[in-house]
Amino acid sequence: DAGITQSPRHKVTETGTPVTLRCHQTENHRYMYWYRQDPGHGLRLIHYSYGVKDTDKGEVSDGYSVSRSKTEDFLLTLESATSSQTSVYFCAISESEAGNTIYFGEGSWLTVV
Amino acid sequence: QQQVKQSPQSLIVQKGGISIINCAYENTAFDYFPWYQQFPGKGPALLIAIRPDVSEKKEGRFTISFNKSAKQFSLHIMDSQPGDSATYFCAAVKTGANNLFFGTGTRLTVIP
Repeated sequence: DAGITQSPRHKVTETGTPVTLRCHQTENHRYMYWYRQDPGHGLRLIHYSYGVKDTDKGEVSDGYSVSRSKTEDFLLTLESATSSQTSVYFCAISESEAGNTIYFGEGSWLTVV
Repeated sequence: QQQVKQSPQSLIVQKGGISIINCAYENTAFDYFPWYQQFPGKGPALLIAIRPDVSEKKEGRFTISFNKSAKQFSLHIMDSQPGDSATYFCAAVKTGANNLFFGTGTRLTVIP
């Protein structure tokens, strides 16, 4: 899948605990994205990055933070997980902005109990 | 508020039939409309995309029809096959922006 590795692929965590999801790419693409997928909502953008240390919010960013210290890695952190953050999280990459081809990873299934 | 509205939610088609999925949008600034195909346990993959300067784009058995005045676009899958069974998402974005807005998805089942 376009050289994108997400970890962990599955995680169960307790409410109130911090969680970090990692996305690693081998394509050297400038743009990286975190989406969440929920029934009835499709995919919604959480945060994106347009370069090392350059990030911005998407439409559902509350409760999430991101960091990008290297081109190849984009981390998504849930500071204090809540049950509403139970979802499938997809990392995506693109060479340029979203008006061109975006490649998705295989997803990280997160359950907050 | 859903920026892109997609229907139907689910679709069952006989092998060899035509599958049609419809999407509508409100933001006239959108100028790139991709369709993604997603198999269970996998990430979405780009299937076909269109820009509003054309009314139709065809790639193999997949065709996008675009109606700019109605702000609607649709995906047609001709000669549908069981291997086409997947969830399909339409999306829209303004070139230069970074928020790709997705529809809610259509689960297609093609019966042999």
